[in-house]
Parts: sequence; structure tokens; C-alpha cells
Amino acid sequence: AQSVTQLDSQVPVFEEAPVELRCNYSSSVSVYLFWYVQYPNQGLQLLLKYLSGSTLVESINGFEAEFNKSQTSFHLRKPSVHISDTAEYFCAVSDTGSGNTGKLIFGQGTTLQVKP
Amino acid sequence: NAGVMQNPRHLVRRRGQEARLRCSPMKGHSHVYWYRQLPEEGLKFMVYLQKENIIDESGMPKERFSAEFPKEGPSILRIQQVVRGDSAAYFCASSPTRTPRDRGANYGYTFGSGTRLTVV
Repeated sequence: AQSVTQLDSQVPVFEEAPVELRCNYSSSVSVYLFWYVQYPNQGLQLLLKYLSGSTLVESINGFEAEFNKSQTSFHLRKPSVHISDTAEYFCAVSDTGSGNTGKLIFGQGTTLQVKP
Repeated sequence: NAGVMQNPRHLVRRRGQEARLRCSPMKGHSHVYWYRQLPEEGLKFMVYLQKENIIDESGMPKERFSAEFPKEGPSILRIQQVVRGDSAAYFCASSPTRTPRDRGANYGYTFGSGTRLTVV
């Protein structure tokens, strides 16, 4: 069974400051890793994903995440945040096995609050 | 190409009533997943369906909850005799016909905007 832990429930940060949202996972099998963003009263949008290959993945809006297998982590970073980045961020995993049905296991979420 | 459509967006039910939540997947998607988000929590997997088949219902409560995805029409999540604890946001997601391992770079599915159920 897999589990995902997002270590911070809330992260307040000033505009243009760097930010890191932490995510650790537990799994006995190989996993795919995802970050989703949820704006108020909206559904989840895929931000970025790690399937294989380069351990550093990037999104189109400046976020990046690095898969660290030894530390079982997939932390999300952005060097300079904007007010519009204020949202809830969810880390998720899915196992890669042949019996994988595609279901995602989510962390509890981290609220990023960007202040002017 | 419309995204995943869920309706209603908001649903208020009295205790003991039935709630029906609908999800129309993206065109060409025949895999549907339902998730529940309780207040202050992350999303929890409920059920995975393909057309006319329930593939994985390991996250569904044993009683009062059911789901279907008929050959024609949307997927339906039904909650009978609702209780206050059922108040949550229910999200549907859809994915293409290929299995997860075959999706490759396109892995990842599309979420709807959710139905927010309030039981009073």
C-alpha cells in the first residue's frame, strides 16, 4: 500500500520569494508521482508529473519538482511566487505495476498563501 | 473539446434523502474515477469504472453508496439515505481508453470541477 505525506498544511510566503512544498511518499513498489493544484471552488489541475527519465520535472508556469528515490520525496519548488499562485497543492502517487488501475493516492494538501 | 462535466455543482439534501451526482467524461474517455474530498482533507479514491463495469470499488463505503457508468449517458454516483458525514466535495476524473502503463507521456487524467454536497 502507498501513502503520501505533505509535511506542511499551510505555507505563507511573500510575493516574489522562493517556496518549497514538501512531499514524501511510502511505497513498496515503483510509483508515478504527481502534483495537482486546486484553486478555490474548482477541480484539480495537473501541475507536473514524474513517470520516468529525468528526475527533475518542470511545469509551464515556473514550478519544478525533483524525484529523490533514496529519500522518497518529490518536493515542489518555485524560485519566485506570484499572488496568483495562491491555491491548494496536492501531491499524489500511483503505482506502476501491471495491476495498476490508475487510482491516485493523495496527500492531505498544502495551502500556499502568497502575500503582497 | 469540453472537459469533464459534473452536475450539479452544488447539492443540498436533508438527512435521509438520496443524492445523485453525475459525471460526463471527456469525449473519447471510457475510464471514470470518483474521489471524495472531506473538509480539510485530501482526496480519497472511491471507485473506478469503465463502461458498464466496476473495476475497483475498494474505496467505496460498504453501505448506501453505489456507482454506475452505463453504456449511454453519464456516470452516476448515488448516495442513499444521506447523513451529515456525507457532506463533502465529490470529484470525477476521466482518462482515455489506454491502460495506465500504456499512457506514457500522456499519463494523468482530467478532473471535473466537482459537486459540493451539503447535508442539512
